[in-house]
Amino acid sequence: GIQVEQSPPDLILQEGANSTLRCNFSDSVNNLQWFHQNPWGQLINLFYIPSGTKQNGRLSATTVATERYSLLYISSSQTTDSGVYFCAVAVRSGNTGKLIFGQGTTLQVKP
Amino acid sequence: DAGVTQSPTHLIKTRGQHVTLRCSPISGHKSVSWYQQVLGQGPQFIFQYYEKEERGRGNFPDRFSARQFPNYSSELNVNALLLGDSALYLCASSLAWDSYYEQYFGPGTRLTVT
Repeated sequence: GIQVEQSPPDLILQEGANSTLRCNFSDSVNNLQWFHQNPWGQLINLFYIPSGTKQNGRLSATTVATERYSLLYISSSQTTDSGVYFCAVAVRSGNTGKLIFGQGTTLQVKP
Repeated sequence: DAGVTQSPTHLIKTRGQHVTLRCSPISGHKSVSWYQQVLGQGPQFIFQYYEKEERGRGNFPDRFSARQFPNYSSELNVNALLLGDSALYLCASSLAWDSYYEQYFGPGTRLTVT
């Protein structure tokens, strides 16, 4: 089946720094989503980005589907950005549309 | 508009018991999917339901079952609980079943099996 790899696994930043998170996937996909998981476990939708570039405030994402990777950029990081960031690719398997998640990047932003 | 809701928030069960978890999708969404997230890993797909029918199942034993009701809410049932079933169970809703539709997650149910 399709493999999703995220890097780095862990990242520690000082408040105000910028960062780039990467997601590589092993086969073509129909869709890609980025999530932020807060300390209570809720997955917050950041981007729905099968291809191209999108921006939302200090966050932006780029997916290059032909090269099978996506990048999440966080600028001017804040302590509230801390948590786990997941990349998930959407695939159709028979009559099912499901998400396959990477292992996540754990981000800690220090004041 | 309300997002995806799940109940209960937390649950503690003993090995061998049975558990039922509940999910209500976003209004207008007809597809519900269930995911299991064990500590330190990404969520893993368990089931997808659309229009009350099972569309697909992940690599989980038959102890796991689910159903979807006419109002599109869903239940996940797990029988004969094992310690390894301890996890965060996440429900996701989407407009329809296909992978092109964005999925939105509920807050999860944290199950502890002792």
